[in-house]
Amino acid sequence: EVQLVESGGGLIQPGGSLRLSCAAAGFTVTTNYMSWVRQAPGKGLEWVSVIYSGGTTYIADSVKGRFTISRDNSKNRVYLQMNSLRAEDSAVYYCARALGSLLEYWGQGTLVTVSS
Amino acid sequence: QSALTQPASVSGSLGQSMTISCTGTSSDVGGYNYVSWYQQHPGKAPKLMIYDVSDRPSGVSNRFSGSKSGNTASLTISGLQAEDEADYYCSSFTSSSTRVFGTGTKVTVL
Repeated sequence: EVQLVESGGGLIQPGGSLRLSCAAAGFTVTTNYMSWVRQAPGKGLEWVSVIYSGGTTYIADSVKGRFTISRDNSKNRVYLQMNSLRAEDSAVYYCARALGSLLEYWGQGTLVTVSS
Repeated sequence: QSALTQPASVSGSLGQSMTISCTGTSSDVGGYNYVSWYQQHPGKAPKLMIYDVSDRPSGVSNRFSGSKSGNTASLTISGLQAEDEADYYCSSFTSSSTRVFGTGTKVTVL
């Protein structure tokens, strides 16, 4: 059974850094595309980043230069390193397994709050 | 990358059909047959309902169907049921190899 469990969210001050983790079970992250999607409170979904099975990564313009997606093959995890955090980065961050452009499995999300 | 445009809300009666539009550009919706649709109930993670414009994942009701014409994709829900009340988002692959979501549509079943 495919499972995705996000962790690492919390309250962080503006300008701070946070690393989100997505633990995968039931499949191997290295042979799949993995994505991060976020949703600000009461707002819509926003695509953040993807890492392909070959290691190529793409990231949304809104977070380019501040966020980085990566993975740890030995731990079967995907990460989202978030630096220079701003209030507008506050959101629930979802990890998802992608199949091409579609997102077929989603985790339950982890909440990030950027506030002083 | 600007969000795809969806109506903010759509309502319909039990048993009726409704269609949600998703308008983009030739750099996303119009340029690729990689449009997907997601259903999200309050407090829950999104669920894939349609992919590659009109394909349905296993387990999704055939009351849900998708189509595309030019830069606009559509999701049709036929035989509306109470459990269809949710937020719906479209998504597309883009010419920058990124993805973009729609603004979201709240579906209300009367």
